[in-house]
Amino acid sequence: QKEVEQDPGPLSVPEGAIVSLNCTYSNSAFQYFMWYRQYSRKGPELLMYTYSSGNKEDGRFTAQVDKSSKYISLFIRDSQPSDSATYLCAMSAGTGNQFYFGTGTSLTVIP
Amino acid sequence: NAGVMQNPRHLVRRRGQEARLRCSPMKGHSHVYWYRQLPEEGLKFMVYLQKENIIDESGMPKERFSAEFPKEGPSILRIQQVVRGDSAAYFCASLAVPGELFFGEGSRLTVL
Repeated sequence: QKEVEQDPGPLSVPEGAIVSLNCTYSNSAFQYFMWYRQYSRKGPELLMYTYSSGNKEDGRFTAQVDKSSKYISLFIRDSQPSDSATYLCAMSAGTGNQFYFGTGTSLTVIP
Repeated sequence: NAGVMQNPRHLVRRRGQEARLRCSPMKGHSHVYWYRQLPEEGLKFMVYLQKENIIDESGMPKERFSAEFPKEGPSILRIQQVVRGDSAAYFCASLAVPGELFFGEGSRLTVL
């Protein structure tokens, strides 16, 4: 079983839609949860970082962590064509430990 | 992620040559991770280093690959006697507070 599972998509939505991206994981020691956005031929860009359970909001982006279900989500409101990218979830048990990445979900927002 | 500097951005090598990829972490960061990414695939962990120490190299192939992060200067990922299967994007990331891992733009290695 992989440490982190992420639906690769692809996901295609109309502009203005709400997008939901999800990951599941198996290691209950994970405490730090991140979402990255990666454009083609670019490095991953850190979008959201959450420690332990709960929600975090930043503009159009909301990250949710449910440790009891080992499930994390990223919601994008009012999606824009510029949001078209691959979204990667990542998690870690903390400093001194590896970061484990999902395989990424490819998102296209259609104008 | 512009703070993590990687070079070269593109590198072409013939089979059997050596590739050296360099990474300067963000200012003040002393933890560096290297990842490999193949087209349409996720990030594969290779090695985690602190200054002058290898913390975890469980993702590194046992042969031909090595990494270092000296007290002064950038971290270096070295691939000896490259083969076509080494062609990939290699990303370096540096760590601030736990959880905030910042990536560079990557070095794209092509082996002819």
